[in-house]
Amino acid sequence: AQKITQTQPGMFVQEKEAVTLDCTYDTSDPSYGLFWYKQPSSGEMIFLIYQGSYDQQNATEGRYSLNFQKARKSANLVISASQLGDSAMYFCAMREGLTGGGNKLTFGTGTQLKVEL
Amino acid sequence: DAMVIQNPRYQVTQFGKPVTLSCSQTLNHNVMYWYQQKSSQAPKLLFHYYDKDFNNEADTPDNFQSRRPNTSFCFLDIRSPGLGDAAMYLCATSREGGEQFFGPGTRLTVL
Repeated sequence: AQKITQTQPGMFVQEKEAVTLDCTYDTSDPSYGLFWYKQPSSGEMIFLIYQGSYDQQNATEGRYSLNFQKARKSANLVISASQLGDSAMYFCAMREGLTGGGNKLTFGTGTQLKVEL
Repeated sequence: DAMVIQNPRYQVTQFGKPVTLSCSQTLNHNVMYWYQQKSSQAPKLLFHYYDKDFNNEADTPDNFQSRRPNTSFCFLDIRSPGLGDAAMYLCATSREGGEQFFGPGTRLTVL
C-alpha cells in the first residue's frame, strides 16, 4: 500500500490566487512527521514546511500552510498568493517515528504546479 | 552560508565504467543520505549514514556503494553503471529528528 499519496499529477493556478495541493498518508505509527518539499526544474529539493503528528496547530511558514487533518490522514499544502516562482514540483513526505537515528523519508509521487499570469 | 554541496552537477559516464559522486556539508549534521530520483518519479532512498553507521535499504542494488570518510563528506560509488542507473542523485543531511536539507543533485548520464 502506498504510504504517501498525491492524487494530483498536475495543477494550474493563476498568479495571486491560493492553491491547495493534496496529500494523504498511511501509517500505524502514532509518532510521525509530515514534510513538504519544492523541487524546481534545477533539481534541488527545498524544504518548505513540517507538521509533527502531535502538533495541535497547523504549521505555517510565510505563504505556506499545512492543513493537517489527522483523522482523515491528510496533510494538504496551501500556498497563498501564488507567484510565478512557485511553479515547480511539490513532494509530500513522511517520516515514521519522530526521532531516532536516520530519519527515513517516504515521498509521494509529486504534484507539478504551474502558476499562470 | 552553511549548505550541502554536490560535485559534479552533471556527470557523463560510459556503460560499465565506475563513477563516483561526491557530497559535502558545512552543517555539521550527523546523518547523511543518498537518494536516486529517476525522471518524473519521487526520490528513492538508497542508503544513509548515521554518524559512521551505514544503513543500506533492502532493495538497493549491490552495484551502489557508499563511503563516509568524515562528518563532512560522503561519496556514492556506482561500480558498473547500467543504462537504468541514469538519474538525478540527491544527497541530503539532517540532525537526528530534524528535517533533511538537500544538495542541488548530480544528474548522471550513462552512454
